[in-house]
Amino acid sequence: RKEVEQDPGPFNVPEGATVAFNCTYSNSASQSFFWYRQDCRKEPKLLMSVYSSGNEDGRFTAQLNRASQYISLLIRDSKLSDSATYLCVVNGYNGAGSYQLTFGKGTKLSVIP
Amino acid sequence: GAVVSQHPSRVICKSGTSVKIECRSLDFQATTMFWYRQFPKKSLMLMATSNEGSKATYEQGVEKDKFLINHASLTLSTLTVTSAHPEDSSFYICSARDSLDETQYFGPGTRLLVL
Repeated sequence: RKEVEQDPGPFNVPEGATVAFNCTYSNSASQSFFWYRQDCRKEPKLLMSVYSSGNEDGRFTAQLNRASQYISLLIRDSKLSDSATYLCVVNGYNGAGSYQLTFGKGTKLSVIP
Repeated sequence: GAVVSQHPSRVICKSGTSVKIECRSLDFQATTMFWYRQFPKKSLMLMATSNEGSKATYEQGVEKDKFLINHASLTLSTLTVTSAHPEDSSFYICSARDSLDETQYFGPGTRLLVL
């Protein structure tokens, strides 16, 4: 089973639409959770952290369900500039004395005019 | 926000040569830096964890003699791809963990093409 699993998409949505991405992770001892955004041929950039209580940043809402080991990202009122690959990232103990980030393969979003 | 730089941003080299990539944290100290590799349409894969003043920890399947890592200061880690081959062509991204708050910042990446 993959450590962090995401639907690769692509999700093609019109401007203004609401779109949701899901992610599951296998390591129940994972400590912290993030959504990163990666544009084509660029490095990943932190979009937002994900907390158990759910958190919102403008048009973006992230949710975490530790019991189900499930993370989600909701984007409302999609903009053309939201087109990117969204990476689900989990920080967990690597069994060798430290914590490390594990990345999902990403979900590709294309917002269409 | 914190900035991590990488140099060079892209490099083309002949098979058999060695390539050194530098990763610098510009306004914070990083006891720990990470080196990732990303092939087209694949996820970022951690290659190794670089610790200042000690040996790097390599992930399974990553040859430590081929990918030499040196973390000589709290702001600089280098990755040297020795005797590069076409299959080493990839996007190499470093990341630095701020020693104060543990936040991890990514460099802009180095695109390596081995002919």
